[in-house]
Amino acid sequence: EVKLVESGGGLVQPGGSLRLSCAASGFPFNTYTMNWVRQAPGKGLEWISYISAGSSSIQYADSVKGRFTISRDNTKNSLFLHLSSLRAEDTAVYYCATGSAWPHFDYWGQGTLVTVSS
Amino acid sequence: EVVMTQSPLSLPVTLGQPASISCRSSKSLLHSDGNTYLSWFQQRPGQSPRRLIYKVSNRDSGVPDRFSGSGSGTDFTLRISRVEAEDVGVYYCMQGTHWPPFTFGPGTTVEIK
Repeated sequence: EVKLVESGGGLVQPGGSLRLSCAASGFPFNTYTMNWVRQAPGKGLEWISYISAGSSSIQYADSVKGRFTISRDNTKNSLFLHLSSLRAEDTAVYYCATGSAWPHFDYWGQGTLVTVSS
Repeated sequence: EVVMTQSPLSLPVTLGQPASISCRSSKSLLHSDGNTYLSWFQQRPGQSPRRLIYKVSNRDSGVPDRFSGSGSGTDFTLRISRVEAEDVGVYYCMQGTHWPPFTFGPGTTVEIK
């Protein structure tokens, strides 16, 4: 069974940083691309970042480019998202998602809430 | 960036009756590889999104056959043949053809009358 478990969310002040993790199991993590998607409270879904299986290809949404960094550790079946220079508008539930075929959104985690507030 | 629009944004339905959601993209979603990367997701209240349909009309494993997808180019439709209580939630279309970014529609809220 595919399982994705996000963690690392919490309350952070504007301008602060946070690192989110996504623990994966039930599939060959080192062969799957991964994505991060977020959802602001009461709002829709926004894709924010993509990383290929071997980390050779990385993409970001314009809204987070230069502030967020995606990475993965295939030896630990883990995906990460480092958030920096956080703004109030980054407040959202952050989901990791993956899949076996393009565009790799078959499976989603339960999400982790990031709240940016003073 | 490809803009996805959905209509209606709110859809009150009667149990047992059909429902239909339209999704339109600002450019054709036909990829040069011959596939059309249009997916539909369901998000029940308090839950994570769940993919229902991929590449326009392919149902994911475990998705009831009352859900169906159709369309081509820029116009797509998700149909529920007979709405059940468990179908309440928000439905999103998403394109994966022209990226980055992957883009989602604004969502359609399905509620029971």
